[in-house]
Order: sequence, then structure tokens, then C-alpha cells
Amino acid sequence: QKEVEQNSGPLSVPEGAIASLNCTYSDRGSQSFFWYRQYSGKSPELIMFIYSNGDKEDGRFTAQLNKASQYVSLLIRDSQPSDSATYLCAVNRVGGFKTIFGAGTRLFVKA
Amino acid sequence: DTGVSQNPRHKITKRGQNVTFRCDPISEHNRLYWYRQTLGQGPEFLTYFQNEAQLEKSRLLSDRFSAERPKGSFSTLEIQRTEQGDSAMYLCASSSLDHGTNEKLFFGSGTQLSVL
Repeated sequence: QKEVEQNSGPLSVPEGAIASLNCTYSDRGSQSFFWYRQYSGKSPELIMFIYSNGDKEDGRFTAQLNKASQYVSLLIRDSQPSDSATYLCAVNRVGGFKTIFGAGTRLFVKA
Repeated sequence: DTGVSQNPRHKITKRGQNVTFRCDPISEHNRLYWYRQTLGQGPEFLTYFQNEAQLEKSRLLSDRFSAERPKGSFSTLEIQRTEQGDSAMYLCASSSLDHGTNEKLFFGSGTQLSVL
């Protein structure tokens, strides 16, 4: 079992729709959860992080965390073609443990 | 420039040769990671440092790989006797631990290695 699992996609949504990206993790000790965006040929960049159960909103992005289900998701509202990228889920334990990434989900937003 | 810097950007080598990559982290960051990424996959953890101490090395990493971070500043990753399977993007990232909780990684542009 992989430590962080994501559906590789591609996920295709029309412009203006909500894109929903999901991630599950195996380590129950994980306490920090991150979403990175990676454009083709570029390096990952952090877009959202969440530590507590529930929702966290930042502009068009909402991260959702359910520690009991070991599940993290990212919602992108009003999707734009510029959101087309690979979205990487990453997890970390508090207190100096390494950050582990999932394989990423490719998102295509059709104009 | 306050970003993470990696050199070289591209490296083409013949199988069996040794290669060394360099990473200069953001100056105030005390943690430094090396990841490897192949097409269609997420970054695969290789090793990481806190200051000059190497905290962990991936079990998947063979003895041909070694990393150093002298004086807790820049880091080097060396691959000895390269194999075609080593061809990948090698990513460096740095971070600081805010009160031991937040760890947000900042990535360099990577070094693309091609082993012929």
C-alpha cells in the first residue's frame, strides 16, 4: 500500500465547473496535509495546507480533511484553463518527519 | 534572489559515469530535501537534512547515491556509476519548521539527468 494515494486521472472539467481532487493516506500519525500544483515542465508549488478536520478556504480553493477516514480533498471552484496542471497531495507528521507525496492527479479544464 | 537554486539544469552522461548536483536553499531555511521525479509520478523522497545532519535516507536508494550538506548550507547529491534507470528529474526543496509544525516546501527548478 502506498503511503499517499491519488487517482492519476486525467480529470477533465469544463471551464467554470468545480474540480474535486481526492487523496488518501496510510499513516495515522500524519498531521499536516498539503496540496501542491505542478505545471508541465515546472516544479511543484504549494497552494493549500490544512491541519485540522473540516474545511479550509482560500479564494477559489477549499481543502477538506477527514482524519478518521484518512482522506484529504481539494475543491477548485470556477475552474479556469490556467488551473490545468498536476495536483500533488503531500503529508507530514508534526515534529520533524519527512514530507511524502502522492503520484498526483492531472487536471484539464476545457475552455 | 531568494529562491532555491539548483545546478546544473540539465546533465547528460554516459552509463557508468559519476555525476554531482548542487542545491542552494533559501538562506534562512534549515531543512533541505532531495526528491526524484519521473514522468507521470509524484516526487519520490530520497533524503533530507536538518542543518548539516542527514536525518533519513530512503531505503529504496542504493549505495551509489550519497548526499552531503556541509555546514548546513548548500547540499550536493552524487550518483556513482550511473545507470539508465537513474534518468529522472532531481528536485531539491528547502523549508523551515515553524514551531515544529508547519513545513512548507519550496522547490528549485530541478536537474534533469539523462543517462545514455
